[in-house]
Amino acid sequence: AQSVAQPEDQVNVAEGNPLTVKCTYSVSGNPYLFWYVQYPNRGLQFLLKYITGDNLVKGSYGFEAEFNKSQTSFHLKKPSALVSDSALYFCAVRDSKAGTALIFGKGTTLSVSS
Amino acid sequence: GAVVSQHPSRVICKSGTSVKIECRSLDFQATTMFWYRQFPKQSLMLMATSNEGSKATYEQGVEKDKFLINHASLTLSTLTVTSAHPEDSSFYICSAREGYRQGLNTEAFFGQGTRLTVV
Repeated sequence: AQSVAQPEDQVNVAEGNPLTVKCTYSVSGNPYLFWYVQYPNRGLQFLLKYITGDNLVKGSYGFEAEFNKSQTSFHLKKPSALVSDSALYFCAVRDSKAGTALIFGKGTTLSVSS
Repeated sequence: GAVVSQHPSRVICKSGTSVKIECRSLDFQATTMFWYRQFPKQSLMLMATSNEGSKATYEQGVEKDKFLINHASLTLSTLTVTSAHPEDSSFYICSAREGYRQGLNTEAFFGQGTRLTVV
C-alpha cells in the first residue's frame, strides 16, 4: 500500500530565510511524487512533480524538491521564503499504474513571518 | 495547466435533502476523475474513482448509495450526496488527470472545492 508522511504539522520561517517542508513516502515500484499547495477554502494548486530523471525538480513560484531514493524522501524547498508562501502544503504519491489516484500526506502548514 | 471547474463552491442544505456537485474538465478530456473529502485541518481522503462510462470505484468505508457518482462524459463527473446529514458537512474536492490515454506521468488538476454545510 502507498503512504505519505509529512512529519511536521507546521513550519515557521522568517521571510527571506530558506524553507524546507519534509515528506517521506512508501510505495511499491517506482514512485510518482507531487507537491501541491492549498489556500483557505480553495482547491489544490500543482507545484511540482518527480517522475524520473534528475533528482532535483524545480517547480512553480521558486519551489524545488529533491528526490532521495535511499531515504524515500521528497522534501520541498525554497531558498528564500515570502510571506505569500504561507499556506497548506501537501505531498502526494501514486504508483505507476494507470488510473490510480493520488495519496496525500496530512499536510504541513507553512507560516512565513515578515 | 489544465482547468478543472467545480460547482457550486459553497452550498447549504437542509438535513434529509440531496446535493449534487459537478466537476468539469474545461480544456481536456478526463477518462478518470477522483473525488476527495477534506475535514478541517486534515488531509484529503480519497472517496472514489470515477470512470467515464462505468461504475465508480469506492474506497473502503465510503457508502456508495449515499455518495452517488456519475461520470457520463469525458468532461463531467457528478457527486450527489443523498439524504444529507450534518456529519456529511465537509469540503469536497474533485480531481482529473489529462493525458490518461497518452501517458501516466501527468499531474492531476483539482477543482476549487465545494464547501457543503448540512443544517
